Amino acid sequence: DTGVSQDPRHKITKRGQNVTFRCDPISEHNRLYWYRQTLGQGPEFLTYFQNEAQLEKSRLLSDRFSAERPKGSFSTLEIQRTEQGDSAMYLCASSLKGVSHNSPLHFGNGTRLTVT
Amino acid sequence: AQTVTQSQPEMSVQEAETVTLSCTYDTSESDYYLFWYKQPPSRQMILVIRQEAYKQQNATENRFSVNFQKAAKSFSLKISDSQLGDAAMYFCAYLRKSGGSNYKLTFGKGTLLTVNP
Repeated sequence: DTGVSQDPRHKITKRGQNVTFRCDPISEHNRLYWYRQTLGQGPEFLTYFQNEAQLEKSRLLSDRFSAERPKGSFSTLEIQRTEQGDSAMYLCASSLKGVSHNSPLHFGNGTRLTVT
Repeated sequence: AQTVTQSQPEMSVQEAETVTLSCTYDTSESDYYLFWYKQPPSRQMILVIRQEAYKQQNATENRFSVNFQKAAKSFSLKISDSQLGDAAMYFCAYLRKSGGSNYKLTFGKGTLLTVNP
């Protein structure tokens, strides 16, 4: 069990540029989640996948955001035309099935995005 | 909508002492899950302890225990014999057990715990 891995750890970009983050969940986990965490706040749900299907998107996820999990394994989160308000830590998490008492979320280290 | 409130933005404790972090939540559900997560500086979020709402017995994991008061919608975390490695941001989280949102954890804003040597 190598855990949930995210790449890159840090990303600095200029406003207006596109960025893409990658998440590799724990291998046997079929559910994958993206959360966003801003300074002084707890993580906020963005979207989740069951296998390759994206089943829910938060209203926080504007049209500039898109997430994919094409083969039901790794996932990418792309932000187009970045804005300074997009600066945050983007956390990926996975679980074996539906999150429950016995199937908690396992988080990655996150990707810290800074938009200048 | 469920909300989770952590009223203590920061707490400090002396090494080897005991500290309690507070959490309250708002829900109309009768069955749900509650979690405490720990996030050390620049490190990943780690599950500390979990509780099912229908279980009256408070969960315990080594030095960590909870005081779950369902009627009061309170879920506090007690850390006994605090260690320097306990220093972190602690998040309380709520999960609805069933229905269309049983995949979405709702987190509080966190409590930053400092452990003084």
